[in-house]
Amino acid sequence: ETGVTQTPRHLVMGMTNKKSLKCEQHLGHNAMYWYKQSAKKPLELMFVYNFKEQTENNSVPSRFSPECPNSSHLFLHLHTLQPEDSALYLCASSQDRAGGGPNIQYFGAGTRLSVL
Amino acid sequence: AQKITQTQPGMFVQEKEAVTLDCTYDTSDPSYGLFWYKQPSSGEMIFLIYQGSYDQQNATEGRYSLNFQKARKSANLVISASQLGDSAMYFCAMRETNTGNQFYFGTGTSLTVIP
Repeated sequence: ETGVTQTPRHLVMGMTNKKSLKCEQHLGHNAMYWYKQSAKKPLELMFVYNFKEQTENNSVPSRFSPECPNSSHLFLHLHTLQPEDSALYLCASSQDRAGGGPNIQYFGAGTRLSVL
Repeated sequence: AQKITQTQPGMFVQEKEAVTLDCTYDTSDPSYGLFWYKQPSSGEMIFLIYQGSYDQQNATEGRYSLNFQKARKSANLVISASQLGDSAMYFCAMRETNTGNQFYFGTGTSLTVIP
């Protein structure tokens, strides 16, 4: 079992569909993240959850809705997406320690999303 | 301003040779961490190596080493004895202690190892 698992690996959806991306981490971490990776652009941080509480939302459109029911699971609910939302969506987790430290983020393999 | 700059969109290296991937960063936070990740075509971002801003020695992990030059704000990745499986995208990233969980990534360098 890999540390961070994302499903589905590939998703094609129309602009009127509703779908969800799932992420599960088996590392006992307390923080989880959603990133968007588009071609030729740096990874964009979308959402951060610490101990199930959302701590960051980097101006992400409301058509993306995160959910973190517990510290091991993270969802990204999608509705009425646009073609420009087509990208690789990566989930990551880390063990955040007060006072600093590496807080290394471990990533899943991503969901490649195509919006038609 | 870009927090992380990777100026080499693509690099080629002969198998068994060493290669250096460049990374410069921009921060005014005295406490920060620098990371390198590898992303093969499968998509997963694989953590390679970490360097803390207060670490006195350059980090090493097997065939990977990080050439940390604090005054120049550079954190180049050196891969020794390249293997065909090293062909991938490589991303440099930084986390500033004062901004919590925010990771800043560069645009990446595509490395191709030639047999």
